Amino acid sequence: GENVEQHPSTLSVQEGDSAVIKCTYSDSASNYFPWYKQELGKRPQLIIDIRSNVGEKKDQRIAVTLNKTAKHFSLHITETQPEDSAVYFCAALKGNSGNTPLVFGKGTRLSVIA
Amino acid sequence: EAGVAQSPRYKIIEKRQSVAFWCNPISGHATLYWYQQILGQGPKLLIQFQNNGVVDDSQLPKDRFSAERLKGVDSTLKIQPAKLEDSAVYLCASSLAGTGVNQFFGPGTRLTVL
Repeated sequence: GENVEQHPSTLSVQEGDSAVIKCTYSDSASNYFPWYKQELGKRPQLIIDIRSNVGEKKDQRIAVTLNKTAKHFSLHITETQPEDSAVYFCAALKGNSGNTPLVFGKGTRLSVIA
Repeated sequence: EAGVAQSPRYKIIEKRQSVAFWCNPISGHATLYWYQQILGQGPKLLIQFQNNGVVDDSQLPKDRFSAERLKGVDSTLKIQPAKLEDSAVYLCASSLAGTGVNQFFGPGTRLTVL
């Protein structure tokens, strides 16, 4: 089955700097890659996703890149702010039938230092 | 638009006791998911429903866990009897499509088994 590895497990950046979180996946048939942000004690929230037919997607200060050949995808947050502090999870999904589960990485705890 | 609702938010029980969690998905979402999130890890799918039918329960410990979605709307997840290792946050999610994309999570139920 699918296996998703996420690095780093913790990341500290100064406010205004950029943050990059990387994930690798094992199943080359995976074609949907969402990123979730989870603040302490709150629900995971979908912040951006990418499908395998594109290489990059941006939404204001966040962007996701996908390298299908290398089977890795990354989350980029620019101009970080204290409110970006949270745990970020990547995930991968295979197929279009809905019969395979969304597999999550173990998360990255991002701390933005003011 | 109302989000995914879950109750209770917190539950403390002793091992070998039973517990039940309730979830009401976003209106119109045909697909409902139950995840287990152990501290420091990403969510792991327990069971997926499409309307009132089970799509995937391959990771559900069926000797002690059960779930139902009888009318294809709200759902109940039960643990009987509970073990110490069941301590986790149980997240419910729903999506409009049955393909696993665009999943929206509820606030979760934090279970502590003593």
